[in-house]
Amino acid sequence: AQRVTQPEKLLSVFKGAPVELKCNYSYSGSPELFWYVQYSRQRLQLLLRHISRESIKGFTADLNKGETSFHLKKPFAQEEDSAMYYCAPSRSNDYKLSFGAGTTVTVRA
Amino acid sequence: GAVVSQHPSRVICKSGTSVKIECRSLDFQATTMFWYRQFPKQSLMLMATSNEGSKATYEQGVEKDKFLINHASLTLSTLTVTSAHPEDSSFYICSARVDGMSNQPQHFGDGTRLSIL
Repeated sequence: AQRVTQPEKLLSVFKGAPVELKCNYSYSGSPELFWYVQYSRQRLQLLLRHISRESIKGFTADLNKGETSFHLKKPFAQEEDSAMYYCAPSRSNDYKLSFGAGTTVTVRA
Repeated sequence: GAVVSQHPSRVICKSGTSVKIECRSLDFQATTMFWYRQFPKQSLMLMATSNEGSKATYEQGVEKDKFLINHASLTLSTLTVTSAHPEDSSFYICSARVDGMSNQPQHFGDGTRLSIL
């Protein structure tokens, strides 16, 4: 069965501290991995995807197929990073997304 | 670009009423759109995949007669919650993929908060 696990429901860090959001998946085939973010009172939006291998807003995520993980990291958190983050694998044949439970990040001054 | 508009943003109605929610891709064509449901403090759950010109495909456990989906054009999908009851109260979100381009992510609407009294 396809499963996405985000073990931390809440994550609180101080401004300037590193932040890491964990994501593990159990998926058949070779899924594409996404991180979506939802800021307060805004719609869900794409943060980054593993095939792009790029850094967005200082965030990076490395796909580790051996550990089936796609953890999201940022070395220096900012207050504007406070949001809800969802890890979401997608099957390449039908593009369906499966969302993890989400992690609420609070960055304190 | 790639904006998805969802309407209405909020609906409050009596039990037994049918409610229609629209999802529009404003600046792109979308053969495929998706409908999600989100309960308070929970994640998004995929309900169905809306396919332009053909029947929607529903996820396991989702009643297709309860949640009617119509995707009549390349820019519009509608979700109708038929004979809604209080247990149907939830946050409904749609998303769409840009046609003609591989590896495109889904773009999400703002969601519709449905409250059945």
